Amino acid sequence: SQTIHQWPATLVQPVGSPLSLECTVEGTSNPNLYWYRQAAGRGLQLLFYSVGIGQISSEVPQNLSASRPQDRQFILSSKKLLLSDSGFYLCAWNPTSTDYEQYFGPGTRLTVT
Amino acid sequence: KNQVEQSPQSLIILEGKNCTLQCNYTVSPFSNLRWYKQDTGRGPVSLTIMTFSENTKSNGRYTATLDADTKQSSLHITASQLSDSASYICVVSAWGFGNEKLTFGTGTRLTIIP
Repeated sequence: SQTIHQWPATLVQPVGSPLSLECTVEGTSNPNLYWYRQAAGRGLQLLFYSVGIGQISSEVPQNLSASRPQDRQFILSSKKLLLSDSGFYLCAWNPTSTDYEQYFGPGTRLTVT
Repeated sequence: KNQVEQSPQSLIILEGKNCTLQCNYTVSPFSNLRWYKQDTGRGPVSLTIMTFSENTKSNGRYTATLDADTKQSSLHITASQLSDSASYICVVSAWGFGNEKLTFGTGTRLTIIP
């Protein structure tokens, strides 16, 4: 069976510090991978998606970046965090062979102070 | 602009009662509509997925309906349980230029009280 992991689960970082959130998927190969952010009282916002190693598409301009160094690893990064980067970050995946279902990870709660 | 609006924003009901959550959307070209349940501090979990041709779909005590003509969907929860307390998110998928775009609603926060 497939599983998706995210870490850390929670993170408190000062403004201006770097960020690295990691997402890994087990039990599948060549998945589509997604990073979402969920701000308080708002719907999920797609930040990045990847259809393969080294292939990253950005949905919104921001000070965040994403990388996919391995088939089942997706990393969300920032060189300098802003207060507005606080939120709940969710990684998701779906098999490239199907259209519909996305499976979400447990999320990372980021608080920028 | 693709939009998904959910109502009510929050709802409190007694354990054992039924409730219905609403979702209206303006998403084109429509591909499918999904309902997710999200427990506090957790990732969303899929409840139902409906395509254009499906009017209703059930998953245990959860029943979703879809009216593609009026662009409305509802999620009905029967005989609510304390574990149903969560946010319920409506998501509409659109396909275009070989890519799928998801539009998320802001969710309905459901609280079940004993």
